[in-house]
Amino acid sequence: AQSVTQLDSHVSVSEGTPVLLRCNYSSSYSPSLFWYVQHPNKGLQLLLKYTSAATLVKGINGFEAEFKKSETSFHLTKPSAHMSDAAEYFCVVSGGTSYGKLTFGQGTILTVHP
Amino acid sequence: SAVISQKPSRDICQRGTSLTIQCQVDSQVTMMFWYRQQPGQSLTLIATANQGSEATYESGFVIDKFPISRPNLTFSTLTVSNMSPEDSSIYLCSAGTSGSGLYNEQFFGPGTRLTVL
Repeated sequence: AQSVTQLDSHVSVSEGTPVLLRCNYSSSYSPSLFWYVQHPNKGLQLLLKYTSAATLVKGINGFEAEFKKSETSFHLTKPSAHMSDAAEYFCVVSGGTSYGKLTFGQGTILTVHP
Repeated sequence: SAVISQKPSRDICQRGTSLTIQCQVDSQVTMMFWYRQQPGQSLTLIATANQGSEATYESGFVIDKFPISRPNLTFSTLTVSNMSPEDSSIYLCSAGTSGSGLYNEQFFGPGTRLTVL
């Protein structure tokens, strides 16, 4: 069984300040972990993925996430928010089998103020 | 990566009718999936579309309500049957690239926004 908990349903930051979106996971297998972003009326875009290589993963648009097994966490960060970062972000876990089933967190809506 | 298109992008339907959503991938992929995103909610997996065999449905979803076809490695359809207002959602298709192996990375289509009156 696998599950994902995104600890904040909404996060609000000012432009130019750091972003932290929190995610905890549970998985019976060595997990693969992903962050996806969904802009309003747009499809889902893959930001980054963890697949048991480096624990610090760099993604697109300046985002990165750190896999911490001891804390079962995979928080998403960005040093400086941009207005275009406003969107909904989903933390996603896969059980690491070839079946390919993804389990989505409930999502965090990021608002960026000028 | 794979580029995925869906048709229609949105539709408004009457209750009791059915709608078929098409998903086209620009390359051959091993796995295709269908998800539902209800208003204000996260994504829930409906089923895995298996090429050449019956789809594999998740708990709470049945073939009579959501029949799925996958005639080849680049195309799939999802039908929402006998619709009710509770079926109003965004339906998304996704695909796992042939090289993804155990990593289960998936690429998503833009979604079909369905409203049932």
